[in-house]
Amino acid sequence: GQQVMQIPQYQHVQEGEDFTTYCNSSTTLSNIQWYKQRPGGHPVFLIQLVKSGEVKKQKRLTFQFGEAKKNSSLHITATQTTDVGTYFCAPSKGGGTSYGKLTFGQGTILTVHP
Amino acid sequence: NAGVTQTPKFQVLKTGQSMTLQCAQDMNHEYMSWYRQDPGMGLRLIHYSVGAGITDQGEVPNGYNVSRSTTEDFPLRLLSAAPSQTSVYFCASSFGQGKSGTEAFFGQGTRLTVV
Repeated sequence: GQQVMQIPQYQHVQEGEDFTTYCNSSTTLSNIQWYKQRPGGHPVFLIQLVKSGEVKKQKRLTFQFGEAKKNSSLHITATQTTDVGTYFCAPSKGGGTSYGKLTFGQGTILTVHP
Repeated sequence: NAGVTQTPKFQVLKTGQSMTLQCAQDMNHEYMSWYRQDPGMGLRLIHYSVGAGITDQGEVPNGYNVSRSTTEDFPLRLLSAAPSQTSVYFCASSFGQGKSGTEAFFGQGTRLTVV
């Protein structure tokens, strides 16, 4: 099954409102990636976080990796209709049995009302 | 560069038929994976490969076979299609995963319906 719990499953916002999705793991992660999938499209890589407490920004998107490397979040400030889609986290535990494996959270479906 | 190319884009099969979903990448990536996407289930890993000649099972491998004879190609075979295999299938490739993860590139997807 999935390594992480991603919440919420759905989020409806009014254009201009903020949005946050969370990815929570019961075990320590080596790194975590985030992907966006537009409706009818394929997943597209957004970012990878590696360091404890890391924060990265891409324009209106802010990504955080928790101090314990067990959780991560993606925050969008002032959503736009172009932000519509499903956001997936993809956690990695590192080597061993996880070597070469990329698995995904269940995703958060974001809809933005203009 | 074409990136990751999947064929076909759409397919309808009858129960019991077999078929192969093709996936090719031209980025010299070591890692390739197959996922299925169903409503509310996210992306579930079917099989993956860390290099030519090496494959392993993911979360939902039953009913699917793979092989990796070359770095470029990673076909997914359905031996006897079942309605439960109706889904959207994605192939992905990357330079690495695990401890040293790198960006995964996805194909456009294959929408498969089994009737």
